[in-house]
Amino acid sequence: GESVGLHLPTLSVQEGDNSIINCAYSNSASDYFIWYKQESGKGPQFIIDIRSNMDKRQGQRVTVLLNKTVKHLSLQIAATQPGDSAVYFCAEPKAIFGGATNKLIFGTGTLLAVQP
Amino acid sequence: NAGVTQTPKFRVLKTGQSMTLLCAQDMNHEYMYWYRQDPGMGLRLIHYSVGEGTTAKGEVPDGYNVSRLKKQNFLLGLESAAPSQTSVYFCASSIGLGDTQYFGPGTRLTVL
Repeated sequence: GESVGLHLPTLSVQEGDNSIINCAYSNSASDYFIWYKQESGKGPQFIIDIRSNMDKRQGQRVTVLLNKTVKHLSLQIAATQPGDSAVYFCAEPKAIFGGATNKLIFGTGTLLAVQP
Repeated sequence: NAGVTQTPKFRVLKTGQSMTLLCAQDMNHEYMYWYRQDPGMGLRLIHYSVGEGTTAKGEVPDGYNVSRLKKQNFLLGLESAAPSQTSVYFCASSIGLGDTQYFGPGTRLTVL
């Protein structure tokens, strides 16, 4: 079936290094992706999104790259800080119930651990 | 602008008790959602609303009821709590269909 998933369950980086979190998807018709950050005991927090008409989008210290050819997207975090430690999910809205609403399909998640 | 807020943050219930979880958003969003998050299960949609006065069942609606009397509020009720409803509940809202969903901080519910 269709899915949005992540390659690596955990990623450990040194403070100040750049982090790259990967995500694969299976539906070539997917046209919108969202990255969320979830800290322990908190709700998913929107980071950045990208639509399929773009290959790259930048935010504050974050960049999302979309490769539609291989159905892969990545989240790059520059100069990773201890506050970046969290689980990161890529997500895709999927129409359900005949398009009456969308359900967010989340990947398994990658735990980013920033070492001081 | 507080975004999406949820009350309470934590709650412990005994089997058979009832309770209401409150979600509020100040972004004037039309769509609101209730999810539950369980280990290894991801987020599952319980109920949703496409506007004030409307509600609809999601993927796992049994045992829950909802109401959207005001555009900014979405209430999730458990009439007779069961241990299987032990979970973390998240509310979310979006401007419209297919738009980014913004989440509240969650309610951690334990049913004994």
